[in-house]
Amino acid sequence: AQSVTQLDSHVSVSEGTPVLLRCNYSSSYSPSLFWYVQHPNKGLQLLLKYTSAATLVKGINGFEAEFKKSETSFHLTKPSAHMSDAAEYFCVVSDRAGGFKTIFGAGTRLFVKA
Amino acid sequence: DVKVTQSSRYLVKRTGEKVFLECVQDMDHENMFWYRQDPGLGLRLIYFSYDVKMKEKGDIPEGYSVSREKKERFSLILESASTNQTSMYLCASSAPRKEKIYGYTFGSGTRLTVV
Repeated sequence: AQSVTQLDSHVSVSEGTPVLLRCNYSSSYSPSLFWYVQHPNKGLQLLLKYTSAATLVKGINGFEAEFKKSETSFHLTKPSAHMSDAAEYFCVVSDRAGGFKTIFGAGTRLFVKA
Repeated sequence: DVKVTQSSRYLVKRTGEKVFLECVQDMDHENMFWYRQDPGLGLRLIYFSYDVKMKEKGDIPEGYSVSREKKERFSLILESASTNQTSMYLCASSAPRKEKIYGYTFGSGTRLTVV
């Protein structure tokens, strides 16, 4: 069975410092993994995705994530936070067994302090 | 560049009213989804559809119904709105067999308040 756990409900960083949003998953099959970002009162926007190619994935706005099968993790990072990164971030797992086994994490709200 | 359009950004309805939330996508996607999003609960799947006139219940279908008469349009219906249906509603679409490559495309959301 699939599941996805975002380990922090809230993360607060100072502008210019690194960002780390943690995500662990479980899947019976080789999963695809995604990170989405949601700014206030907006829909979700795809940040990046892992689909069994390179394990280090680069996305938009300077974000990247590394798929670590041994740790069942897909943590999202950014070297230097910007005020505009303040948003909610969702980790999503989708397996290869069928079209509708897509599970969303509960979300991590990122706060960026000036 | 808009690909999934939700007809209303904000709605205020009265208890007992019948409410229609409309979603249209222009990507020729077969799959469409309705989620609700509440603080602390993340996204919960209400209904999804994988073809015209087809629908499947998600995790929380009670109090909702859906309609998919055309491929591009997926409507969520609250037959008799209640205050516990106050929420942000998100529509999404995807292409089958490509979902695990491209993920979902989301609309901007409809914030519904039932008073």
